[in-house]
Amino acid sequence: AQTVTQSQPEMSVQEAETVTLSCTYDTSENNYYLFWYKQPPSRQMILVIRQEAYKQQNATENRFSVNFQKAAKSFSLKISDSQLGDTAMYFCAFSGTYKYIFGTGTRLKVLA
Amino acid sequence: KAGVTQTPRYLIKTRGQQVTLSCSPISGHRSVSWYQQTPGQGLQFLFEYFSETQRNKGNFPGRFSGRQFSNSRSEMNVSTLELGDSALYLCASSSGGGGISGANVLTFGAGSRLTVL
Repeated sequence: AQTVTQSQPEMSVQEAETVTLSCTYDTSENNYYLFWYKQPPSRQMILVIRQEAYKQQNATENRFSVNFQKAAKSFSLKISDSQLGDTAMYFCAFSGTYKYIFGTGTRLKVLA
Repeated sequence: KAGVTQTPRYLIKTRGQQVTLSCSPISGHRSVSWYQQTPGQGLQFLFEYFSETQRNKGNFPGRFSGRQFSNSRSEMNVSTLELGDSALYLCASSSGGGGISGANVLTFGAGSRLTVL
């Protein structure tokens, strides 16, 4: 069975600094996608970034980038130049056949 | 373009009652999936529907059920409510024939917060 593990329940970072959120996963599938979703306080969940497992190049979206280590089954999210609006719950997710598996989330607080 | 709409947004029930939650996906999206979100447990996958067919189901008891209509709107039902069913129930829709597999990104609704007393 697929699993997704986020070992950091809470983190904080100073505004303008860089922070890395960790995620590991386990699967026997070869073709899959990995995602980071963001859930701001009292707001809807939205996509942050997506990685295709067969692509070796790490995905980047503006200040957000991932470090995808397929052999190690690791998928971390780096947020550069953190902003107050980045304060949210961040969920790592694995997408396989007809299902999404989410981690338990990391609550990130950006401090002014 | 309207987003994913979930109703009701908040509801309070007592143990033993049943509840029905509704989800209207983005127009054109044929896949709807449901998740239970609780503190410390993250999002737990309940089930996924595509073109009125349930394609996958999570590890929840039979008290949790769902269905999808021909217009892609979906409902989930929880019978004989227990205190542990208190949670935020999220619905998400996605496009593409692959449903929630592969590259399809989920678009979430705001959720239905259920409190069981």
